[in-house]
Amino acid sequence: GAVVSQHPSRVICKSGTSVKIECRSLDFQATTMFWYRQFPKQSLMLMATSNEGSKATYEQGVEKDKFLINHASLTLSTLTVTSAHPEDSSFYICSARGGNRGAEAFFGQGTRLTVV
Amino acid sequence: QQQVKQSPQSLIVQKGGISIINCAYENTAFDYFPWYQQFPGKGPALLIAIRPDVSEKKEGRFTISFNKSAKQFSLHIMDSQPGDSATYFCAASKGSGTYKYIFGTGTRLKVLA
Repeated sequence: GAVVSQHPSRVICKSGTSVKIECRSLDFQATTMFWYRQFPKQSLMLMATSNEGSKATYEQGVEKDKFLINHASLTLSTLTVTSAHPEDSSFYICSARGGNRGAEAFFGQGTRLTVV
Repeated sequence: QQQVKQSPQSLIVQKGGISIINCAYENTAFDYFPWYQQFPGKGPALLIAIRPDVSEKKEGRFTISFNKSAKQFSLHIMDSQPGDSATYFCAASKGSGTYKYIFGTGTRLKVLA
């Protein structure tokens, strides 16, 4: 399958600081990228959908000013958690879809964010 | 309309047995149904996917059965192995590359040695 690289895999940051997570599609052009948040033993919760060159579409209840998403190219999307607080601690996962990969979505390895 | 209901929540199977996980969807516009496997601390990995024009698809030990009229689909893992112990998610989407996936709630599978 296609490769989607996400990093960092783990990050610890202090409360009030910002953290950037990168998601790269390595072998296909990702027209659309998705960002998810996953709590322990729960399903993936879609946070936002981003299309290359467009503003992200956020799901209801997700603060767009807190979770900044940029999809500047067909191979890179970033999620920045601004002014992080302990309640933002979670597992964040990106997914990429598009190009010659059709309907399939490929996931990154996930980022474990811990805010202390 | 957008929900995908998945059951059971957890499943314990003996090594060599068959694991069966079921999903049901509501939106008849969905035309792509993948299954993902997730190990702790990792991102989901695509196992197998099906479109509604076929009733069954098999890849190795994994089989998807699809019932379009009932709006249900299931994953069968034959000859289950301890290495299959993971969380499995079904999903539904439209075939367009820009449409989001609707995920089921997940099934935690444990295969006993």
